[in-house]
Parts: sequence; structure tokens; C-alpha cells
Amino acid sequence: NAGVMQNPRHLVRRRGQEARLRCSPMKGHSHVYWYRQLPEEGLKFMVYLQKENIIDESGMPKERFSAEFPKEGPSILRIQQVVRGDSAAYFCASSPGDQDTQYFGPGTRLTVL
Amino acid sequence: RKEVEQDPGPFNVPEGATVAFNCTYSNSASQSFFWYRQDCRKEPKLLMSVYSSGNEDGRFTAQLNRASQYISLLIRDSKLSDSATYLCVVAGYNQGGKLIFGQGTELSVKP
Repeated sequence: NAGVMQNPRHLVRRRGQEARLRCSPMKGHSHVYWYRQLPEEGLKFMVYLQKENIIDESGMPKERFSAEFPKEGPSILRIQQVVRGDSAAYFCASSPGDQDTQYFGPGTRLTVL
Repeated sequence: RKEVEQDPGPFNVPEGATVAFNCTYSNSASQSFFWYRQDCRKEPKLLMSVYSSGNEDGRFTAQLNRASQYISLLIRDSKLSDSATYLCVVAGYNQGGKLIFGQGTELSVKP
């Protein structure tokens, strides 16, 4: 059973470009969570999704950030008009249920030049 | 005040030492508690869940005190491979399972 997959593993963008981060949950997992880890900081919750629904986006910045988890395909975290402060590691986690253990993907390291 | 606070670290200990990490959480509604380990800022990996009765897994023992909102992790006979950052994590019953992470405590085990 493959683990949580994220791609790309490393992403470099210039200021003002768009970044798209993809997450494929473990087989059988319908709950996806996105977390962000800024340099020298701990992980911070961003958003929780189930198939076609955003359940909790209380950790998402109000502007430029969006997330989706379509019926088919991976979950996508989209950052529009990136700024240097968006440089961070973005981790996706999945679980079979909302109270179950979350398994993390290897993360996408975003660097904004 | 941070929702989850940990010892600042880093902890530098010799092989074979016993080391203890402490953590406090602010939300009394928190229902689930965990210790994760993170190596070189790679993905966090679950080390163990923490229960009110306390639980042990080999050299690792976790304790939870709900009254004091305090969680601990004890590592006995530390190994070089235990070197990592240890993350104290809590989740609330009504929070849809989202995890709240502490800052992490870095452990370095030296030969």
C-alpha cells in the first residue's frame, strides 16, 4: 500500500507566479489535511478536506491560497501570486476518518525567488 | 499563549542516557495526544499516541495528565538513531481531527 504521495518534491517560483502542490492520499483514505512549516517554525494546520468538500479552512491565509479535493484525482493546494514569505515546506496528510491517525507525505518544499 | 508548548531544547545527551520531554497544551477540550518525530525537517512520523493511563513502547514511555494539561515523553537508553526533533501534538474532538503541533524539541544523542 503506497503511502501519501506529494509532488513536486521541490518547487521554485518567482514572485508573482502561481504554485500548485499535489497530494495523493493513501488508498482508502478520504480525509486530507494540509500543513505548512515555515523555516525555523513548527507545523501549522491550513485546511482539511474530504472528497469535493472543504471541511475546515481556518488555517488558510485569506487571500491567494485555495485548496480542493475533487472526486477524481489528487488534492491540490494552489498559491496565487507567490511572495517570498510563502517559502516553506508544505505537508499533506491523509486518514481514513477524521479521528484516525494521520499519515504524512514527504512534503513539497516551495522556494520563492 | 501558544496552544502547545514544549521545552525549548536542544537536548544534547550521551548514548545510553535517559531523557525526558515535557509539553503543555492550552485547550482543555483536546481529546487526542501524540508524539511525532521529525528528522531533518522531513515528514513527521507518528512515534506513539498518548493515553491517560500512560503507555510504553520499548524504550519510550508517554504520560498524560489531563488535570494539568501536561504530556511527557521519556526515552531510556538513548541511541544515536534517536537524534531527531520530537513534536508534541494534540487534536480536539470537535476540530475534525486537525492536529496542533508544538514547536518541537531537538534531541542530539552523541557517542
